[in-house]
Amino acid sequence: EPEVTQTPSHQVTQMGQEVILRCVPISNHLYFYWYRQILGQKVEFLVSFYNNEISEKSEIFDDQFSVERPDGSNFTLKIRSTKLEDSAMYFCASSPASGATYEQYFGPGTRLTVT
Amino acid sequence: AQKITQTQPGMFVQEKEAVTLDCTYDTSDPSYGLFWYKQPSSGEMIFLIYQGSYDQQNATEGRYSLNFQKARKSANLVISASQLGDSAMYFCAMRENTGTASKLTFGTGTRLQVTL
Repeated sequence: EPEVTQTPSHQVTQMGQEVILRCVPISNHLYFYWYRQILGQKVEFLVSFYNNEISEKSEIFDDQFSVERPDGSNFTLKIRSTKLEDSAMYFCASSPASGATYEQYFGPGTRLTVT
Repeated sequence: AQKITQTQPGMFVQEKEAVTLDCTYDTSDPSYGLFWYKQPSSGEMIFLIYQGSYDQQNATEGRYSLNFQKARKSANLVISASQLGDSAMYFCAMRENTGTASKLTFGTGTRLQVTL
């Protein structure tokens, strides 16, 4: 069964450094998402991506964040200058369509630790 | 107002018993989907069950069923015959037909502990 993959599973970085989190969505899916979950808290939406552009972003997704689909398979989240409060689990998700009835398939997550 | 409300931060259930995890939602969109995810201690999000706003019948998936009461805007998850492996965080989420890509909005979760 096709699945969303994410690399790395765990990333440790120093404050102020840039990190790139990588995701490979399910191949025939068209809609891509990043979510964040700070330890012990709920999952929060960051950004959605369709047709090679951002379709929606939350207030969390400020100028230090960017997303890219550099080729036909990868979907990346870049944090330019990490802060301590960026420490969280980051989930990538993909969906075949945008309607409310379609499931979003989640990857296993990347745990980002900023020291 | 919160879009998704899960009022039970933690629940205990004995093995082989049934348990209901509560979820209420708030939307003015007539078309929406409700999802339940399980998050074990390893951290991944596992899809359990889905209910569409126009579905006439309550969704069922094996030991999971969804008690959907549209007028009350509730979508409670029922787990029958609980197993030790069911111990995890459970999140209720809603997807509305808003924006181009229709994000998921999650509740705060319920931590379920299954005991012997």
